[in-house]
Amino acid sequence: KAGVTQTPRYLIKTRGQQVTLSCSPISGHRSVSWYQQTPGQGLQFLFEYFSETQRNKGNFPGRFSGRQFSNSRSEMNVSTLELGDSALYLCASNNRGGFNNEQFFGPGTRLTVL
Amino acid sequence: GENVEQHPSTLSVQEGDSAVIKCTYSDSASNYFPWYKQELGKRPQLIIDIRSNVGEKKDQRIAVTLNKTAKHFSLHITETQPEDSAVYFCAASSITGNQFYFGTGTSLTVIP
Repeated sequence: KAGVTQTPRYLIKTRGQQVTLSCSPISGHRSVSWYQQTPGQGLQFLFEYFSETQRNKGNFPGRFSGRQFSNSRSEMNVSTLELGDSALYLCASNNRGGFNNEQFFGPGTRLTVL
Repeated sequence: GENVEQHPSTLSVQEGDSAVIKCTYSDSASNYFPWYKQELGKRPQLIIDIRSNVGEKKDQRIAVTLNKTAKHFSLHITETQPEDSAVYFCAASSITGNQFYFGTGTSLTVIP
Protein backbone atom coordinates (compact mmCIF):
# COMPACT_ATOMS: atom_id res chain seq x y z
CA LYS A 1 0.00 0.00 0.00
CA ALA A 2 1.49 3.36 -0.98
CA GLY A 3 2.22 5.80 1.81
CA VAL A 4 1.20 9.42 2.18
CA THR A 5 2.62 11.59 -0.58
CA GLN A 6 3.10 15.33 -0.73
CA THR A 7 3.96 17.68 -3.56
CA PRO A 8 6.01 19.66 -4.08
CA ARG A 9 8.79 18.64 -1.74
CA TYR A 10 10.51 22.02 -1.81
CA LEU A 11 9.20 25.48 -2.55
CA ILE A 12 10.71 28.96 -2.50
CA LYS A 13 8.41 31.95 -2.53
CA THR A 14 8.64 35.65 -1.76
CA ARG A 15 6.66 37.65 0.74
CA GLY A 16 3.15 38.48 -0.39
CA GLN A 17 2.83 35.53 -2.74
CA GLN A 18 0.51 32.62 -2.20
CA VAL A 19 1.22 28.91 -2.27
CA THR A 20 -0.72 25.67 -2.65
CA LEU A 21 0.51 22.37 -1.25
CA SER A 22 -0.94 18.98 -2.07
CA CYS A 23 -1.34 15.78 -0.07
CA SER A 24 -2.52 12.34 -1.14
CA PRO A 25 -3.46 10.07 1.79
CA ILE A 26 -3.01 6.35 2.13
CA SER A 27 -5.60 4.51 0.07
CA GLY A 28 -8.74 4.07 2.16
CA HIS A 29 -7.89 6.84 4.60
CA ARG A 30 -10.45 9.61 4.49
CA SER A 31 -8.98 11.93 7.09
CA VAL A 32 -6.14 14.32 6.29
CA SER A 33 -4.54 16.60 8.85
CA TRP A 34 -2.02 19.36 8.22
CA TYR A 35 0.78 20.47 10.53
CA GLN A 36 3.39 23.19 10.49
CA GLN A 37 6.77 22.20 11.88
CA THR A 38 9.37 24.78 12.86
CA PRO A 39 12.48 24.31 15.02
CA GLY A 40 11.16 26.44 17.84
CA GLN A 41 7.47 25.48 17.82
CA GLY A 42 7.44 21.77 17.15
CA LEU A 43 4.39 20.31 15.41
CA GLN A 44 1.56 22.80 15.23
CA PHE A 45 -1.85 21.55 14.11
CA LEU A 46 -3.41 23.52 11.26
CA PHE A 47 -6.61 21.67 10.38
CA GLU A 48 -8.18 18.32 9.64
CA TYR A 49 -10.41 17.37 6.73
CA PHE A 50 -12.70 14.38 6.60
CA SER A 51 -15.23 13.63 3.88
CA GLU A 52 -14.48 16.95 2.20
CA THR A 53 -15.34 18.91 5.36
CA GLN A 54 -13.07 20.69 7.81
CA ARG A 55 -13.61 18.95 11.16
CA ASN A 56 -10.95 20.52 13.36
CA LYS A 57 -8.97 23.73 13.18
CA GLY A 58 -5.89 24.97 15.00
CA ASN A 59 -4.94 28.51 15.96
CA PHE A 60 -3.70 29.87 12.67
CA PRO A 61 -4.80 33.01 10.84
CA GLY A 62 -7.30 32.92 8.00
CA ARG A 63 -4.43 33.14 5.50
CA PHE A 64 -4.12 29.40 5.99
CA SER A 65 -6.90 27.45 4.35
CA GLY A 66 -7.48 24.02 2.92
CA ARG A 67 -9.85 21.77 1.13
CA GLN A 68 -10.40 18.11 0.44
CA PHE A 69 -11.59 16.46 -2.72
CA SER A 70 -13.91 13.50 -3.18
CA ASN A 71 -10.91 11.18 -3.63
CA SER A 72 -9.63 12.33 -0.19
CA ARG A 73 -6.69 14.24 -1.64
CA SER A 74 -6.21 17.51 0.18
CA GLU A 75 -4.69 20.87 -0.62
CA MET A 76 -3.49 23.58 1.71
CA ASN A 77 -3.23 27.20 0.66
CA VAL A 78 -1.34 30.02 2.29
CA SER A 79 -2.03 33.51 1.00
CA THR A 80 0.00 36.69 1.49
CA LEU A 81 3.07 34.80 2.61
CA GLU A 82 5.15 36.12 5.49
CA LEU A 83 8.74 35.33 6.42
CA GLY A 84 7.48 33.47 9.48
CA ASP A 85 5.60 31.01 7.28
CA SER A 86 8.89 29.35 6.37
CA ALA A 87 8.54 25.86 7.74
CA LEU A 88 8.11 22.19 6.96
CA TYR A 89 4.46 21.48 6.22
CA LEU A 90 3.44 17.93 6.98
CA CYS A 91 0.23 16.22 6.19
CA ALA A 92 -0.95 13.03 7.84
CA SER A 93 -3.71 10.59 7.07
CA ASN A 94 -5.59 8.18 9.25
CA ASN A 95 -8.57 5.91 9.24
CA ARG A 96 -10.79 8.22 11.24
CA GLY A 97 -13.28 6.38 13.38
CA GLY A 98 -11.71 3.02 12.71
CA PHE A 99 -10.37 0.83 15.51
CA ASN A 100 -6.82 1.42 14.39
CA ASN A 101 -6.54 5.17 14.64
CA GLU A 102 -2.89 5.35 13.61
CA GLN A 103 -1.87 8.52 11.87
CA PHE A 104 0.83 8.39 9.20
CA PHE A 105 2.83 11.32 7.95
CA GLY A 106 3.90 12.33 4.48
CA PRO A 107 7.47 13.46 3.72
CA GLY A 108 6.52 17.12 3.99
CA THR A 109 6.89 20.21 1.87
CA ARG A 110 9.75 22.51 2.84
CA LEU A 111 8.55 26.09 2.24
CA THR A 112 11.03 28.94 2.27
CA VAL A 113 9.71 32.50 2.14
CA LEU A 114 12.24 35.15 1.10
CA GLY B 1 -8.60 21.86 24.48
CA GLU B 2 -5.96 19.28 25.19
CA ASN B 3 -2.48 20.29 26.37
CA VAL B 4 0.43 17.85 26.10
CA GLU B 5 3.69 18.54 27.90
CA GLN B 6 6.85 16.55 27.18
CA HIS B 7 10.08 16.25 29.17
CA PRO B 8 12.99 16.41 28.83
CA SER B 9 13.59 18.50 25.73
CA THR B 10 17.05 16.98 25.26
CA LEU B 11 18.47 13.71 26.50
CA SER B 12 21.93 12.18 26.11
CA VAL B 13 22.64 8.59 27.09
CA GLN B 14 25.51 6.18 26.65
CA GLU B 15 25.00 3.35 24.21
CA GLY B 16 23.43 0.42 26.02
CA ASP B 17 21.76 2.54 28.68
CA SER B 18 18.03 3.15 28.94
CA ALA B 19 16.18 6.32 27.98
CA VAL B 20 12.88 7.51 29.37
CA ILE B 21 10.72 10.31 27.97
CA LYS B 22 7.65 11.50 29.83
CA CYS B 23 4.47 13.24 28.72
CA THR B 24 1.45 14.57 30.54
CA TYR B 25 -1.95 15.43 29.12
CA SER B 26 -4.86 17.43 30.44
CA ASP B 27 -8.03 16.13 28.76
CA SER B 28 -9.47 12.99 30.32
CA ALA B 29 -11.32 12.33 27.03
CA SER B 30 -8.01 11.52 25.32
CA ASN B 31 -7.75 7.79 24.86
CA TYR B 32 -5.09 7.20 22.22
CA PHE B 33 -1.40 7.99 22.77
CA PRO B 34 1.07 7.48 19.92
CA TRP B 35 4.81 8.07 19.91
CA TYR B 36 6.69 9.23 16.83
CA LYS B 37 10.38 9.16 15.96
CA GLN B 38 11.71 11.77 13.58
CA GLU B 39 15.21 11.41 12.21
CA LEU B 40 16.93 14.44 10.76
CA GLY B 41 15.36 15.46 7.47
CA LYS B 42 12.74 12.71 7.57
CA ARG B 43 9.06 12.45 8.35
CA PRO B 44 7.80 11.49 11.83
CA GLN B 45 7.36 7.71 12.01
CA LEU B 46 4.92 6.00 14.34
CA ILE B 47 6.95 3.67 16.59
CA ILE B 48 4.48 2.60 19.23
CA ASP B 49 1.09 3.57 20.57
CA ILE B 50 -1.17 2.77 23.48
CA ARG B 51 -4.87 3.01 24.08
CA SER B 52 -6.46 3.92 27.38
CA ASN B 53 -7.75 0.42 28.01
CA VAL B 54 -4.21 -0.88 28.64
CA GLY B 55 -1.50 0.23 31.01
CA GLU B 56 1.61 -0.96 29.18
CA LYS B 57 2.68 -2.06 25.74
CA LYS B 58 6.03 -3.39 24.64
CA ASP B 59 7.67 -3.91 21.26
CA GLN B 60 11.20 -5.29 21.46
CA ARG B 61 13.38 -2.57 23.00
CA ILE B 62 10.65 0.05 23.30
CA ALA B 63 7.76 0.19 25.70
CA VAL B 64 5.09 2.69 26.63
CA THR B 65 3.30 2.99 29.95
CA LEU B 66 0.10 4.89 30.66
CA ASN B 67 -1.28 6.13 33.96
CA LYS B 68 -4.79 7.38 33.27
CA THR B 69 -5.37 8.58 36.82
CA ALA B 70 -2.31 10.80 36.79
CA LYS B 71 -2.74 11.60 33.08
CA HIS B 72 0.79 10.76 32.08
CA PHE B 73 2.47 8.33 29.74
CA SER B 74 6.09 7.47 29.13
CA LEU B 75 8.32 6.01 26.44
CA HIS B 76 11.05 3.62 27.55
CA ILE B 77 13.90 2.60 25.28
CA THR B 78 16.24 -0.08 26.59
CA GLU B 79 19.69 -1.06 25.34
CA THR B 80 19.93 2.14 23.33
CA GLN B 81 21.86 2.17 20.07
CA PRO B 82 23.26 5.08 18.02
CA GLU B 83 20.46 4.65 15.49
CA ASP B 84 17.97 5.51 18.24
CA SER B 85 19.27 9.09 18.06
CA ALA B 86 16.36 11.22 16.82
CA VAL B 87 13.63 13.56 18.00
CA TYR B 88 10.75 11.79 19.70
CA PHE B 89 7.25 13.23 19.91
CA CYS B 90 4.39 12.09 22.07
CA ALA B 91 0.78 12.85 21.18
CA ALA B 92 -2.70 12.50 22.59
CA SER B 93 -5.95 12.09 20.73
CA SER B 94 -9.48 10.94 21.16
CA ILE B 95 -10.76 8.54 18.55
CA THR B 96 -14.00 10.46 18.24
CA GLY B 97 -12.39 13.90 18.02
CA ASN B 98 -9.50 12.79 15.80
CA GLN B 99 -7.37 15.82 16.62
CA PHE B 100 -3.83 14.93 17.61
CA TYR B 101 -2.07 17.12 20.16
CA PHE B 102 1.71 16.84 20.13
CA GLY B 103 4.33 17.39 22.75
CA THR B 104 7.24 19.68 21.93
CA GLY B 105 9.65 16.84 21.25
CA THR B 106 12.69 15.28 22.90
CA SER B 107 16.02 15.24 21.10
CA LEU B 108 17.69 11.97 22.06
CA THR B 109 21.40 11.47 21.47
CA VAL B 110 22.93 8.05 22.02
CA ILE B 111 26.67 8.34 22.53
CA PRO B 112 28.68 5.38 21.17
